[in-house]
Amino acid sequence: AQRVTQPEKLLSVFKGAPVELKCNYSYSGSPELFWYVQYSRQRLQLLLRHISRESIKGFTADLNKGETSFHLKKPFAQEEDSAMYYCALSGAGGTSYGKLTFGQGTILTVHP
Amino acid sequence: GAVVSQHPSRVICKSGTSVKIECRSLDFQATTMFWYRQFPKQSLMLMATSNEGSKATYEQGVEKDKFLINHASLTLSTLTVTSAHPEDSSFYICSASSGGAINEQFFGPGTRLTVL
Repeated sequence: AQRVTQPEKLLSVFKGAPVELKCNYSYSGSPELFWYVQYSRQRLQLLLRHISRESIKGFTADLNKGETSFHLKKPFAQEEDSAMYYCALSGAGGTSYGKLTFGQGTILTVHP
Repeated sequence: GAVVSQHPSRVICKSGTSVKIECRSLDFQATTMFWYRQFPKQSLMLMATSNEGSKATYEQGVEKDKFLINHASLTLSTLTVTSAHPEDSSFYICSASSGGAINEQFFGPGTRLTVL
């Protein structure tokens, strides 16, 4: 079974401060990990995926297979980063391919 | 980016009636569509996966006779909540994927269902 855990429901930081949203996963095979973001009154959208190894809006996330983690980081938070963030996992093959399992979500608030 | 629409955005119905929710991919062909349910302040829970032209695959615990899914074309999937009851009240979200190696899902805006 695949499971995604986001231990923090709420996270508050001040503008310019570093931010880290934690995500841990459980999966027996090789997973694909994603971060999705939902801004206020908008739909869920993909922020980044681990296989892309890219930085989007200043955010990065590294897959740590040893710790089974995929934490989302940004060195200097901005007010417009305030949103709900979901970590998600997809199995790499078989019946799990393409199916996303979401974490509980973390509401990030960046104060001015 | 790819756009997915849902209709209606909000529906209120009486207990015992059936409600149909449409999910459309507007500018791409979606070989696979997914239906999620989201309870207040909780995560998205995958209900079922539908591939165009074939029967939907339901997740454990989801009643297939209760939540009928049809994926008749590459741009449209429908979810029908049959004989709805107040406990079916929820936020239903669809997503669509064109498949392949990219494996990205594009999400609809969601439909708020309230059963009285």
